[in-house]
Amino acid sequence: KAGVTQTPRYLIKTRGQQVTLSCSPISGHRSVSWYQQTPGQGLQFLFEYFSETQRNKGNFPGRFSGRQFSNSRSEMNVSTLELGDSALYLCASSPRDRFYEQYFGPGTRLTVT
Amino acid sequence: GDSVTQMEGPVTLSEEAFLTINCTYTATGYPSLFWYVQYPGEGLQLLLKATKADDKGSNKGFEATYRKETTSFHLEKGSVQVSDSAVYFCALSGLNSGYSTLTFGKGTMLLVSP
Repeated sequence: KAGVTQTPRYLIKTRGQQVTLSCSPISGHRSVSWYQQTPGQGLQFLFEYFSETQRNKGNFPGRFSGRQFSNSRSEMNVSTLELGDSALYLCASSPRDRFYEQYFGPGTRLTVT
Repeated sequence: GDSVTQMEGPVTLSEEAFLTINCTYTATGYPSLFWYVQYPGEGLQLLLKATKADDKGSNKGFEATYRKETTSFHLEKGSVQVSDSAVYFCALSGLNSGYSTLTFGKGTMLLVSP
């Protein structure tokens, strides 16, 4: 079974721009979560989607948003980028019967200059 | 809220040495506990898990036991290899998030020399 895929793998943006990251979960998984990883703050939860509905949200500003499509694929968007948004963004998916068990993709490395 | 505390690294060992990485947690109720591993330039891989007290998770020679009385989930391996060099994260999934999100520790880097 194919794992979680994320595109693009690397991205360089300028302050003030916006960016969209994409995640395709493992086939059959309907829950998708997003995390931000930085050297200073570690791994922080952004949001979780299940059946196209946001089920949980972390403590991030409204510039961070996401959505999930009917095929369970998910996107996250960051508007008005700041230097501090530079991070590895990780997507994870969970099986329906073990939603606490998350499988991660390789991440998208975002650099904001 | 939920939190996970794990020992700071780096932990530096010689090949075949015994490994322990300490992890303690604070959570409401009975969380599920996990160890994830991250190799350079990659995402996180689920290493092992335990979903109830006294459960022992194991995989690839690594083990961890869910200790409710001490709120701990320490990672152990009897004989480490150079290929085990990576960053290890302890995590929990708890009641506060409906068991559907993970709270991570800061991570512990393990360096194994030949």
